[in-house]
Amino acid sequence: DAGVTQSPTHLIKTRGQQVTLRCSPISGHKSVSWYQQVLGQGPQFIFQYYEKEERGRGNFPDRFSARQFPNYSSELNVNALLLGDSALYLCASRFDSVSGANVLTFGAGSRLTVL
Amino acid sequence: AQKVTQAQTEISVVEKEDVTLDCVYETRDTTYYLFWYKQPPSGELVFLIRRNSFDEQNEISGRYSWNFQKSTSSFNFTITASQVVDSAVYFCALSEARTGANNLFFGTGTRLTVIP
Repeated sequence: DAGVTQSPTHLIKTRGQQVTLRCSPISGHKSVSWYQQVLGQGPQFIFQYYEKEERGRGNFPDRFSARQFPNYSSELNVNALLLGDSALYLCASRFDSVSGANVLTFGAGSRLTVL
Repeated sequence: AQKVTQAQTEISVVEKEDVTLDCVYETRDTTYYLFWYKQPPSGELVFLIRRNSFDEQNEISGRYSWNFQKSTSSFNFTITASQVVDSAVYFCALSEARTGANNLFFGTGTRLTVIP
């Protein structure tokens, strides 16, 4: 079975531009979460979606938005890019939104560089 | 507020040595989960273990073992007989019942280098 897949794997943008990152969860997983990992730091929670609804949001500005589609795939959008948005963006999926019994399975990430 | 501290930034060991990675956490919740994830150079976070706050039983799984002590808010991870393939960044993480199982608070990671 395929794991969590993310695209693109690498991309370079300039300040002020907009970017869209995509994620396909593991088949059967209905919950998708997004994390930002700045170089040298641990991942930081951005969003969680379950059944196409936002179920959680971290401490990120409104320039960050996301959505989940009927097939449970997800997109993360970042507008008005800043240099500080340069990071590895990780997507994770889980079978159940509420239960703590299941763990997050992460993809390999999309590395964004903002020049 | 929740917090995960991994005081060891980098550790280097010679192959076949044992190594322990330290993790100290802070939370006000009585119900929480603790995790260890491994991040190889490819970038993908690989799940290693999860423990809930009511299960202090320590475990050994192959070359890995975990020591969870609520009294000291620590959740340490040991690799015995380390191998070169163990070289990676290891993250300790915490999720709370209050903030949800998908919201993991990660430490800053410990970079482990195993020297052949």
